[in-house]
Amino acid sequence: DAMVIQNPRYQVTQFGKPVTLSCSQTLNHNVMYWYQQKSSQAPKLLFHYYDKDFNNEADTPDNFQSRRPNTSFCFLDIRSPGLGDTAMYLCATSRTSGGADTQYFGPGTRLTVL
Amino acid sequence: GQNIDQPTEMTATEGAIVQINCTYQTSGFNGLFWYQQHAGEAPTFLSYNVLDGLEEKGRFSSFLSRSKGYSYLLLKELQMKDSASYLCAVMDSNYQLIWGAGTKLIIKP
Repeated sequence: DAMVIQNPRYQVTQFGKPVTLSCSQTLNHNVMYWYQQKSSQAPKLLFHYYDKDFNNEADTPDNFQSRRPNTSFCFLDIRSPGLGDTAMYLCATSRTSGGADTQYFGPGTRLTVL
Repeated sequence: GQNIDQPTEMTATEGAIVQINCTYQTSGFNGLFWYQQHAGEAPTFLSYNVLDGLEEKGRFSSFLSRSKGYSYLLLKELQMKDSASYLCAVMDSNYQLIWGAGTKLIIKP
């Protein structure tokens, strides 16, 4: 089945210790997104890639970076996690970004910063 | 600014009908999405409306009025597994999704 996969599903890290979250997709979609979602809040868009064209949201902290080495994979790097970065991190994909295409989500990585 | 409003929480009874409302103010409009999100899981796509009117899909229906900046999600014959958060999201003129905070739906036996 075509899908969006995220690893790990749960991650615990220490304050200030770098962490990398990964996302892969078998949908062959051009666009990949990273969202941060805190409890009972709306998902907040951090980045998106249209193919290899990187788009950073204006209010995404510099602490967050992303890489997309190929169509199928995308990584979220948090260089120095703070307690406030505890959240669910959602990866999503869509066929294009220029149209009203549905975004399909992976299962998420629940990150806890201690 | 851009804004999506939906009730924080609703309660309904198993077997009943519930309507979850969403109002929006966005820079442009390229459609409205409803997603279901169970606790601790990712959102899953339910419906997409871009034209006014009602779209029916099994037990779930979604309605849109662009002139009023209003949508609702109607859930019929509620089942316990429908207990979840329901997220309304609008695609703006830049094809960015603007998300509401979600409505937590609690189903009671």
